Amino acid sequence: QQPVQSPQAVILREGEDAVINCSSSKALYSVHWYRQKHGEAPVFLMILLKGGEQKGHEKISASFNEKKQQSSLYLTASQLSYSGTYFCGTESADSNYQLIWGAGTKLIIKP
Amino acid sequence: DAGVTQSPTHLIKTRGQQVTLRCSPKSGHDTVSWYQQALGQGPQFIFQYYEEEERQRGNFPDRFSGHQFPNYSSELNVNALLLGDSALYLCASSLVVLGKFMNTEAFFGQGTRLTVV
Repeated sequence: QQPVQSPQAVILREGEDAVINCSSSKALYSVHWYRQKHGEAPVFLMILLKGGEQKGHEKISASFNEKKQQSSLYLTASQLSYSGTYFCGTESADSNYQLIWGAGTKLIIKP
Repeated sequence: DAGVTQSPTHLIKTRGQQVTLRCSPKSGHDTVSWYQQALGQGPQFIFQYYEEEERQRGNFPDRFSGHQFPNYSSELNVNALLLGDSALYLCASSLVVLGKFMNTEAFFGQGTRLTVV
């Protein structure tokens, strides 16, 4: 079952903060976050694993609430380069450890 | 490092035809996954290849098939094309770590935009 992302879209001024959420009804093994700019390939941001391990870029922060099967991506002091569509992908035993992607959150940063 | 390369970048086919898309993974990567991304949607997992075998498969019909070569490159074949097959097809490569296919960073190619008319 596809994870639910919220909000669907958000518009920020440069320097403002944003939180993007991803929730699933399944017991998750991991949550993956990627950003895709228009016409480009998705780019890896972070993996959060059950048990607390995280792998990702230093400037990106995220959380994974294993009890609630929710993850949040925190974008602070946003820059114009942060614009794009953010996707979360969830992995669970239920999905046979395939990545199931959310519909995406479109982030627009204005100067 | 050339990263993940896909070819062709764009393709127009007629309903009922067959198409082959190609992917070369990032150097050092041994696992290739294919995704279908409709406009405005997240990627949908088609299948994954490791050691020249299909290891995982998503909810796609048998018209979608693939292959992985000894050099880890991969092909995606779609037979009997339907209008609904029009989408961006993404290839992602990763490295299996301790038997875990998915909990590693994946690198995506730019995709092949397939239009079926």
